[in-house]
Amino acid sequence: QVQLVESGGGVVQPGKSLRLSCAASGFIFSNYAMHWVRQAPGKGLEWVAVISYDESKENYADSVKGRFTISRDNSMNTLYLQMNSLRPEDTAVYYCGRDSEVVFITTVDYWGQGTLVTVSS
Amino acid sequence: DIQMTQSPSTLSASVGDRVTITCRASQSISTWLAWYQQKPGKAPKFLIYKASTLESGVPSRFSGSGSGTEFTLTISSLQPDDFATYYCQQYHTHSTFGQGTKVEIK
Repeated sequence: QVQLVESGGGVVQPGKSLRLSCAASGFIFSNYAMHWVRQAPGKGLEWVAVISYDESKENYADSVKGRFTISRDNSMNTLYLQMNSLRPEDTAVYYCGRDSEVVFITTVDYWGQGTLVTVSS
Repeated sequence: DIQMTQSPSTLSASVGDRVTITCRASQSISTWLAWYQQKPGKAPKFLIYKASTLESGVPSRFSGSGSGTEFTLTISSLQPDDFATYYCQQYHTHSTFGQGTKVEIK
């Protein structure tokens, strides 16, 4: 069965950096685009970034462009999100998600349980 | 950026009611629209894609329709397990979620 397990969350000061990881299992990781989606406390879902199955494409929400970098290691079945210049408004639960289609970038069918990032001094 | 607007923000309903949630896109997205259900403290659950295609395992009381800029999610007969928050998501250009519709017990 598809499993996605995020890690790396925690409390970080404004302006600092943090790297999230998402370990994938139960499917052929290298066949699927992967997404990050976040949810601030008590708020709705916000799509953050996507990376294509072969790392050839990356797209970002305007709110994180230039500060966050999505990457993947297909040999390790792991997705990453490098977050730099963190702001209090980046405080959220961060979910990784598998794209619903092989090869193409579409939407998310499987989700991890999320990891909480708190940006506070 | 494509903006997604859901209405209503909150909906009070009873078990057995027919429920409809609307999602409007700021520009045409064809049928590149998905719907999710989320319960408190849990990850979202994938319900519908391509505006009207039910994901495997999703009960048939859920249905989606629409194209272009206007879409609906309908629950034909609300069940106790359906009280949750529902989100639409466009994936025509990058991705954007609606702000969510909370379906609560009347």
